[in-house]
Parts: sequence; structure tokens; C-alpha cells
Amino acid sequence: GQNIDQPTEMTATEGAIVQINCTYQTSGFNGLFWYQQHAGEAPTFLSYNVLDGLEEKGRFSSFLSRSKGYSYLLLKELQMKDSASYLCAVRNNNAGNMLTFGGGTRLMVKP
Amino acid sequence: DTEVTQTPKHLVMGMTNKKSLKCEQHMGHRAMYWYKQKAKKPPELMFVYSYEKLSINESVPSRFSPECPNSSLLNLHLHALQPEDSALYLCASSQYSGGEGKQETQYFGPGTRLLVL
Repeated sequence: GQNIDQPTEMTATEGAIVQINCTYQTSGFNGLFWYQQHAGEAPTFLSYNVLDGLEEKGRFSSFLSRSKGYSYLLLKELQMKDSASYLCAVRNNNAGNMLTFGGGTRLMVKP
Repeated sequence: DTEVTQTPKHLVMGMTNKKSLKCEQHMGHRAMYWYKQKAKKPPELMFVYSYEKLSINESVPSRFSPECPNSSLLNLHLHALQPEDSALYLCASSQYSGGEGKQETQYFGPGTRLLVL
């Protein structure tokens, strides 16, 4: 089985930096995805990590440590529109390379 | 273009009704997925189609019946649903299924919000 943990909720201030952590336990790790989901809307793809290290894409960066079963999503220069749920999803090659999602972290950005 | 479209956006149905959800993508993706998402919960995989063939059925009740008429379309036929089936139903697609690399990134449609009375 798989176990994926994220904080349930976070609050941050506009213009600040926030780090959303994700820890996972899986026997067949084959990549980790971060998605953003606004309330009532579809998840949108943010980033993909399969090797250790940092992937940077504009204001968003994602880090992976496979040995520690750990990833984080870093959001810089927070904007009000970044208020959303952030879903960590792990791909498991023992499960047909399908995705299993963590519970999601609801981020609230305040002025 | 990474667009997946779904219709209808909202659906209200009784427990004796038969309805269908539709999903379409024109990205040339050969894998399509149905997920169910309850409020404040993550998406849960229901079905996977790969090259128009059902490859994964996550023990979904038979009142949900998927269909893949061609490589661009995916339907979910609903019959005799229960109130607990009320949820957001998300369709997704990826270039292939069961593969590796960023090409396997799944792109989601906007979902159909279903209410069963």
C-alpha cells in the first residue's frame, strides 16, 4: 500500500514564501506530481519530480528526496489567487504506474 | 493545448434515472481516466482506458459503466445511483498509461458535479 501525508491547511501572507511538505511511503516509487486545485475546479498540473533535487518553474519550485520519501512545493511571492488546494500525487510502478493522491493542503493567502 | 472538456458541468438526477457523463480530448492521448472526488478529499481513481480498452477498474459498482467509443471520447453511464454517489467526477488523459516520465502527466477536465437525490 501507499501512505501519503500532507498538512491539511496552511495560511500565509500575500508576497511571502510558503513551503508545502509531502511525505510518502511506497514500495514502487516512480515519480511525484504536484497539482493545484481551486475550489470546484479541476486539478491543474504544476510540477513533476522523479530524480532527487529541485525543479524550478517561475514562482513555483518542487523538491524531491527519494531516500527520505519527502517532497515539498515552494511558492514564492504569494498572490491571492494562489489560495487553493495543493495535491501531492505519487506514481507507483507496482500499481500499473497509476497515481495515488495525498489528502491535499488547503492554502489560504491573506492580504 | 492541454484541454480536456467535460459535459455537463452540473447534473442532478434521481435514483431511478439513467444519465451519461462525457469527456473529450484532442491531444492525441491514448489513456483516459475517470476519477471521483468528494468534497475536501483527493481524487479517487475509478477506471483507466488505454488504447480504447479498459485496463483498470478499481472495484467500482456496476451502476457506473464506462465506455470509450474512440481515442478522443470517454463516457461514464450512470444508472440507479445512490445519494452517496454525489461527487465531482473528473476525467483526465495522458499520452500513455502505465508508462514513465513526464509524458505520463495526467491532464484533468473541469469535472461534472453530480447530485443524486
